Order: sequence, then structure tokens, then C-alpha cells
Amino acid sequence: ESVLTQSPGTLSLFPGERATLSCRASQSIRSNYLAWYQQKPGQAPRLLIYGASNRATGISDRFSGSGSGTDFTLTISRLEPEDFAVYYCQQYGSAPPITFGQGTRLEIE
Amino acid sequence: EVQLVESGGGLVQPGWSLRLSCAASGFTLDDYAMHWVRQAPGRGLEWVSSISWNGNSVAYADSVKGRFTISRDNAKNSLYLRMNSLAAEDTAFYYCAKDIASSSWRYFDHWGLGTLVTVSS
Repeated sequence: ESVLTQSPGTLSLFPGERATLSCRASQSIRSNYLAWYQQKPGQAPRLLIYGASNRATGISDRFSGSGSGTDFTLTISRLEPEDFAVYYCQQYGSAPPITFGQGTRLEIE
Repeated sequence: EVQLVESGGGLVQPGWSLRLSCAASGFTLDDYAMHWVRQAPGRGLEWVSSISWNGNSVAYADSVKGRFTISRDNAKNSLYLRMNSLAAEDTAFYYCAKDIASSSWRYFDHWGLGTLVTVSS
């Protein structure tokens, strides 16, 4: 089972700043099969990125994903107020099981 | 527009059973694998179970294996999760999620709003 560890647990930034979120896997993820989701309070998760670097339909180009192997990054340039949420990474390279990281909470400074 | 609407959650006592349903619309259900993902209040996401487009392939998290059963009825555009021997640690919001693939487990491009299952005496 591939364990995903996200860091930091909480990230406090100002609107307009750049956010860098990390997701590290306990073993190399096949074909970079890693996705990122955004979840706001009281809402279901929303797909942002798949295949480590491909933006989902309708996702702003302020969101970008990168990485390979065991180290992956979600970058949000120029934070907007609506970007403050919890972010999860998910691997599907060695499923089942599908696994999620524990989440990074992005909060307004 | 793709819509997934879960139902069947509620308050049950430890050891009881419950069946969750997910009504799908806006897409052809039998073109896609489907999943259940849960989230305990204030906690992270946990994958629960997956089923291929025709139901021939299923998978479960170790935490629910032997107690939960996933199934689908494509003719009724519905996904189900039968949960037996429920315990306090099963308390969570249960989300129905659509895969982008039909037979393999990938990622989830649409999610329902979830249904809350509370297990307490």
C-alpha cells in the first residue's frame, strides 16, 4: 500500500501569495498516477489535477501540479479568497487500495 | 449535468446494518467504475470500496472488508453500499464518486454531496 504524506499540515498565507503544497509517497507512484482535490467546508471534494500535472475541466490555470516518482507538488499562484480550503492528494497507481494523503489546510494569514 | 445523490444514512446502533444508495444522472452509469469514499467528521478522506462498470470487479478497504458490500444496478442508475456490523468508527459522511474509467480504479471527477452515517448507542 502506498502511504501518502502531505506537508505542511496547515499553511497560512495572504491572498495574492503563492502556495506550495507537498505530497510524498512511501513508494514510487506508477505512471505518476496522482490526483489533487480541493474541499471547502460542507462541500464534497473537487478534482483539480490528475496524472500529477493535468488540470481538470474548468480549473483555473493558477493551479498547477508537478512531480514524479515519490514527490509531488501542488502550486497555487496568486491566491484568491476562494482558494482557502483543504487539499488532498490521492494515488491510483497501485490501486486497490486507493489512498489519500491526510490533507493540507490552507488558511488566510 | 452529472449528478450523484446519496441517501440512506442515519443514526444506528452498534452492530446494526444500513444500506446506502447513490442515484446517478446526467451520464451513462454503465460506462464507468464507481466508488464509495468516507470522511469522519473533521477528518480526512478514506477510500471505502470500488466497483467496475459491470460489477464483475470489486475492491474494499481492509477496514470494511467482510462487513460492507458494494453493488450496482445500471438499469436503475444506482450504486449501493450494504453495511453490516456497524461500529462507532464507521461514523462518517459517505460520498459516492464517479471514476473516469470503466474497469480500473483511477480518480474521481464527480462526487455526491454525501450522506451521514452515525453509529452510536
